[in-house]
Amino acid sequence: DTGVSQDPRHKITKRGQNVTFRCDPISEHNRLYWYRQTLGQGPEFLTYFQNEAQLEKSRLLSDRFSAERPKGSFSTLEIQRTEQGDSAMYLCASSFSELRYYEQYFGPGTRLTVT
Amino acid sequence: SQKIEQNSEALNIQEGKTATLTCNYTNYSPAYLQWYRQDPGRGPVFLLLIRENEKEKRKERLKVTFDTTLKQSLFHITASQPADSATYLCALEGDNYGQNFVFGPGTRLSVLP
Repeated sequence: DTGVSQDPRHKITKRGQNVTFRCDPISEHNRLYWYRQTLGQGPEFLTYFQNEAQLEKSRLLSDRFSAERPKGSFSTLEIQRTEQGDSAMYLCASSFSELRYYEQYFGPGTRLTVT
Repeated sequence: SQKIEQNSEALNIQEGKTATLTCNYTNYSPAYLQWYRQDPGRGPVFLLLIRENEKEKRKERLKVTFDTTLKQSLFHITASQPADSATYLCALEGDNYGQNFVFGPGTRLSVLP
């Protein structure tokens, strides 16, 4: 297994456009998380899935953001009508939930720039 | 509200010395705490996990302590090397039984040769 992968690695878009990012987790991991990280800050939780069910969304996540994990494997994060404030690194992480104490494995991130 | 603070934005130390990073939290009662390393342009990488009933955890040159009374964790790197230069993040189990994690802002460590 090569770890968590994300695509694309970089995305430049104009304000008002829609963008979609993909995350492929480690194959045996049933939990998948999305985070957003801006310069000088730690990752900020956005949402997470257990298998295909989206179990939690941050209150900070506006309705322009939507995430799916249709078959409990890969996930997509879509941002509609992008704003300059959406510019950030979007990180995906996966983990195995059967353990009470567990770490997360992160992908390399997708850097979004909204011009 | 829940808050995590890490001692400083940046820390410079000389090669061979011990680096000590601090993570303080408020309005939490986490069952465990984790430390991650993040290099520029990359995702965080897990280093160590310490449970609330563990006082200390070690892994090679790394040592983590967890004081639930002080609501503080200390992260030590002994015999530091320039390759240890990175940002170090602490992360706590969120308020929903681990269904989300909350990260601190990180401390950028530079080990000078």
